[in-house]
This record gives sequence, C-alpha cells and structure tokens, in this order.
Amino acid sequence: AQSVTQPDIHITVSEGASLELRCNYSYGATPYLFWYVQSPGQGLQLLLKYFSGDTLVQGIKGFEAEFKRSQSSFNLRKPSVHWSDAAEYFCAVGRTGANNLFFGTGTRLTVIP
Amino acid sequence: DSGVTQTPKHLITATGQRVTLRCSPRSGDLSVYWYQQSLDQGLQFLIQYYNGEERAKGNILERFSAQQFPDLHSELNLSSLELGDSALYFCASSGGLAGSSTDTQYFGPGTRLTVL
Repeated sequence: AQSVTQPDIHITVSEGASLELRCNYSYGATPYLFWYVQSPGQGLQLLLKYFSGDTLVQGIKGFEAEFKRSQSSFNLRKPSVHWSDAAEYFCAVGRTGANNLFFGTGTRLTVIP
Repeated sequence: DSGVTQTPKHLITATGQRVTLRCSPRSGDLSVYWYQQSLDQGLQFLIQYYNGEERAKGNILERFSAQQFPDLHSELNLSSLELGDSALYFCASSGGLAGSSTDTQYFGPGTRLTVL
C-alpha cells in the first residue's frame, strides 16, 4: 500500500530565505506525486505534479520539486520565500489504476519578516 | 477560485442528526471526490463518483453515503452524527475519460461540520 510521510510538522523561515519541504513516499512502482497548498480557510490548490519524465518539476508561484527515486522523495523547494507563502503544504501520491490520492499529514509554513 | 463550489460553508448540528453536503464540480468535470480533513486523521479520501456511478471507495463509514446526480453535482450524506465526525469536508473534481489518479483534482473550499 502506498503512503506519504512529511517529517516536518511545522517550519519557520524568514522572508527571502530559501525553503525546502520534505516528502517521502512508499510505493512499489513509479508513483504519481503532487504538492498542494492550503491557505487558511481555503481549499487545496495544486502547486505541481510529477508523472514521468524530467525529475525536476516546475510549478506555480515559483515552486519546484525534484523526484528522487533512490531516496523515495519528492521535496518541494522555493529559492526565496514571500510572506504570502505562509500556508499548509500537502504532499500526495496517486498510483496507476487508482483514482484517489493519499495525502501526507502536511507541513505548516510560517514566514517571519 | 478552483471552479468547484461547496455548500454550506459551515454547518453546526447535534449528535444523532443527519446532514447533507453539496458539491458542484467544475464545468465539464465528470469525476467528483469527497475527502475528510480532521485533526487526528488528516486528509482522507472517502469516495469517488464518475459520471453518476461510484468509482472508488476509501475510508468511508457506513453511516455516510454519497451520490452524483445527472447534472453531475454530488451530495454527501452523513447520518447518526457523532462528535468525531466534526471535520472539514472537501469535494474535488477532475476531468479525464475515466477519472484516473493522473488527473489533476481541483478542490472546493470545503464545508466545516461541527457536531455538538
């Protein structure tokens, strides 16, 4: 069965600093991987997704993620964080033949001035 | 704005009651998914409908049921409510021919259910 682990419950970064949010997955074959962001009181918005091909994926709002099969990871990065990036970030995995997504427990990002 | 609408935004009810949550998918999307987000369980998939038919089932309790209507809107019915059912319920929709997990799911703003 597939699963997703986000080891960091809460991360605090300064505005302008770089960001990396960790995501590890467990799945036998090549997974479909997603990063979603949830702002307070809002639904989830897709940042980026990986199905196959280039392992470095560009997303919206300046985010990118890199799929590393050897480490079973799909970490989310941003070179310079803005105050508006403060939100909860969810990594999710889908798989061939299944329709639903399995979500990690989320990482809450706080941005300080 | 994802294009997915959910009503109501907030719902407060008592234990033992029954409620109905409504979701309208994005125009043209045939798949509707329901998720529950709670503090202790996180985001969990409940059920998926594709073009009116149940396609996949997750951790959905027997007290919960859903359906998708010919106009593609969906309703999630929660009955015999317990305190532990208090959560944020999200609906998502996707296009694609068969609603596979490669389809991007667009999430609505959610319905916050509080059971007192």
